[in-house]
Amino acid sequence: AQKITQTQPGMFVQEKEAVTLDCTYDTSDQSYGLFWYKQPSSGEMIFLIYQGSYDEQNATEGRYSLNFQKARKSANLVISASQLGDSAMYFCAMREVSGGYQKVTFGTGTKLQVIP
Amino acid sequence: DVKVTQSSRYLVKRTGEKVFLECVQDMDHENMFWYRQDPGLGLRLIYFSYDVKMKEKGDIPEGYSVSREKKERFSLILESASTNQTSMYLCASRMEDRVNQPQHFGDGTRLSIL
Repeated sequence: AQKITQTQPGMFVQEKEAVTLDCTYDTSDQSYGLFWYKQPSSGEMIFLIYQGSYDEQNATEGRYSLNFQKARKSANLVISASQLGDSAMYFCAMREVSGGYQKVTFGTGTKLQVIP
Repeated sequence: DVKVTQSSRYLVKRTGEKVFLECVQDMDHENMFWYRQDPGLGLRLIYFSYDVKMKEKGDIPEGYSVSREKKERFSLILESASTNQTSMYLCASRMEDRVNQPQHFGDGTRLSIL
């Protein structure tokens, strides 16, 4: 079964608008962490934001915020005021303990295109 | 800044060859990971290592092995390369003892098996 599910293969957003990228996860651990990464066409993976399972506040980093709904097991990324440079692949990832060791698994990604 | 270096950006090999992909990190990170990235499938974990000489299978270890003789170096080995192993391979490292630490990635190796 998929541990991380990103249901939107591709999305479009108008420049300066906000956009939400969906991520749901599956784990039986109580302690886990959720990450979002951006991968531009150049290929490098850029860390954006982190949410811990025990964090009561939603994480924010500049224009990025994470809408964390623990009961629903969702961790959606919200990008406010989209810019052309936000066009990229976005990956959701989860860190959990597997066999006593910290394992990180990724979703299939969402390709975001920002339209001028 | 953490630097994760993968030995080759592009690599072309033949079916049946033994292929080595090398990854070196310079931040004394305990955890290292190998992923392959394919369109529509995202990043899939092949193997990870939490210490020198220690390794754990990820989600798709078949056809691969790994070696971690030194803390800074994590090698991915394709024992007998096949065309279905044509892919982008990404190495990552991470500090073990801080739960909020992200992974740091190399630039990737685009491997073609002919």
